[in-house]
Amino acid sequence: AQKITQTQPGMFVQEKEAVTLDCTYDTSDPSYGLFWYKQPSSGEMIFLIYQGSYDQQNATEGRYSLNFQKARKSANLVISASQLGDSAMYFCAMREPRMDSSYKLIFGSGTRLLVRP
Amino acid sequence: ETGVTQTPRHLVMGMTNKKSLKCEQHLGHNAMYWYKQSAKKPLELMFVYNFKEQTENNSVPSRFSPECPNSSHLFLHLHTLQPEDSALYLCASSQDESHRGGAETQYFGPGTRLLVL
Repeated sequence: AQKITQTQPGMFVQEKEAVTLDCTYDTSDPSYGLFWYKQPSSGEMIFLIYQGSYDQQNATEGRYSLNFQKARKSANLVISASQLGDSAMYFCAMREPRMDSSYKLIFGSGTRLLVRP
Repeated sequence: ETGVTQTPRHLVMGMTNKKSLKCEQHLGHNAMYWYKQSAKKPLELMFVYNFKEQTENNSVPSRFSPECPNSSHLFLHLHTLQPEDSALYLCASSQDESHRGGAETQYFGPGTRLLVL
């Protein structure tokens, strides 16, 4: 069975510093996708970054980058130059393949990030 | 990002009430999803619709009844709910898997915060 593990329930980071949020996954499927979402207190899940299992390079989106280590089955999110607005819950998720053309996301338990001024 | 909208944003209902949650996506996607997010629990997938057909019912009690009249609209009809059904209900949509990379991403609405008294 596929599984996503986020071992950090809460993290602090000083404004303007970088922070790494950990995510490990378990799957036997050679084709999979990994996602990071941000959930502010308002509740909306905001897509941040995607990494495909066959992608040769680590994904980057602005201040977000994904440290993808396939052999270790880890997909850590790195946020550079943290801003106060980065304070939120962060969820790692993995795509589970399905027979039809929709798919299912398996979510981790999340990490609450607090950026200190 | 207003690609996926949900109404109402907040809902308080008694256990004998009947109410409906509405989700609309303006992204031209083919798949739509209902998730439940309870306090201190990972996101739980409830239902999946692909091309208006229900393809997943994740052992959801019958007091939750989904409806998908077309690929852009998704409803969740609620009746005789229990206090433990109080949660944030999130709707999401995605393209099908024939698209590569980030097009697999699920985009979420802002959610409906439901309180059952």
